[in-house]
Amino acid sequence: SQTIHQWPATLVQPVGSPLSLECTVEGTSNPNLYWYRQAAGRGLQLLFYSVGIGQISSEVPQNLSASRPQDRQFILSSKKLLLSDSGFYLCARNSGNQETQYFGPGTRLLVL
Amino acid sequence: GDSVTQMEGPVTLSEEAFLTINCTYTATGYPSLFWYVQYPGEGLQLLLKATKADDKGSNKGFEATYRKETTSFHLEKGSVQVSDSAVYFCALLTNAGKSTFGDGTTLTVKP
Repeated sequence: SQTIHQWPATLVQPVGSPLSLECTVEGTSNPNLYWYRQAAGRGLQLLFYSVGIGQISSEVPQNLSASRPQDRQFILSSKKLLLSDSGFYLCARNSGNQETQYFGPGTRLLVL
Repeated sequence: GDSVTQMEGPVTLSEEAFLTINCTYTATGYPSLFWYVQYPGEGLQLLLKATKADDKGSNKGFEATYRKETTSFHLEKGSVQVSDSAVYFCALLTNAGKSTFGDGTTLTVKP
């Protein structure tokens, strides 16, 4: 199974509040996991990726952080949200042979 | 670094028209190439893929051929339907497991 779960599905948060988005995956162990953000009307920007527990690589400097406390759990966080953090956040994993990337259903975040 | 350039949209077609969405890429090594589709309000779904030069990916009447000599992966469909209206993303995946996406092309098909 390549199932990816994300929650919450939608979230409205005030500026300055904290954030925690969760992604869990099913299937093979030790998958590569990714967080992407899609701003309105734009493509996907890779934010973080992880090749294993506790291993996080950041692609762009920003207000967000990521953690991987368990093999199949990937968390996106912020201590203080900014208006510019609004967007559609997608979690993804690669297939075992690294030839395909699968996406979760996404979380829509609106920061007011 | 790696990059993907897609034909700018939006694209508006009548039902049963022929569709082409251009995609070119720049990457080191030999990436896999993908087309994803995003329907309104939903996440990304893998539409088709090709993992090496001259491979043709196909699904739901859509096709794309991995052209190494022109570094392209153009999406085509012979006869579009209203239900094909969506945003289409071209993407590459390197051997290191990192993806790069184009900005997306919005397709609207009118009856």
